[in-house]
Amino acid sequence: QVQLVQSGAEVKKPGASVKVSCKVSGYTLTELSMHWVRQAPGKGLEWMGGFDPEDGETIYAQKFQGRVTMTEDTSTDTAYMELSSLRSEDTAVYYCATPPRSGWYYPLDYWGQGTLVTVSS
Amino acid sequence: QSVLTQPPSASGTPGQRVTISCSGSSSNIGSNTVNWYQQLPGTAPKLLIYSNNQRPSGVPDRFSGSKSGTSASLAISGLQSEDEADYYCAAWDDSLNGHVVFGGGTKLTVL
Repeated sequence: QVQLVQSGAEVKKPGASVKVSCKVSGYTLTELSMHWVRQAPGKGLEWMGGFDPEDGETIYAQKFQGRVTMTEDTSTDTAYMELSSLRSEDTAVYYCATPPRSGWYYPLDYWGQGTLVTVSS
Repeated sequence: QSVLTQPPSASGTPGQRVTISCSGSSSNIGSNTVNWYQQLPGTAPKLLIYSNNQRPSGVPDRFSGSKSGTSASLAISGLQSEDEADYYCAAWDDSLNGHVVFGGGTKLTVL
């Protein structure tokens, strides 16, 4: 059973960066394909990107290209999502999510509890 | 504007059968399988249906999925009060290099 535990809520000023962590247990990160999805208040789910093990690359949604960086620390089985140049529209709950296996075309079975990022001056 | 189109709301009374549609295109639903997620208020999404019509372990058989062409549907039979939630369809999109796309979500109200 995969468990994903995310870091706590953050409050950031416009223009700053935020880095959210997602600690994996039950599996190792190399056995998974971590994705990140966000949800603005009262809005739907928005896919930000994910790791494609077949290419060994992280794929980012075009909307976030140049502003988002997803990394992994396999020594601690922790995934990170860093979003820069924050603006008020980035206020959202950010989720890490993964299938229980490594691969791209698998549904997201497991989700973290979510991390609220608030961008406010 | 979501790539996949869902009705913003749906409703039904306990015991009824309701369906939620999800419309896409040849590059997403027409070419790839569809997954459905249920999001109860204040919680993270939960995988409800995968590969168009498969239920993960623990999901009641009251929930079923189907796909035809560039559209998919989620059906809930024997509606229960605890089914009140937001439902999202998702698929991969070949025109976006395999990126994941979500529907805008449907809020299901049990009257």
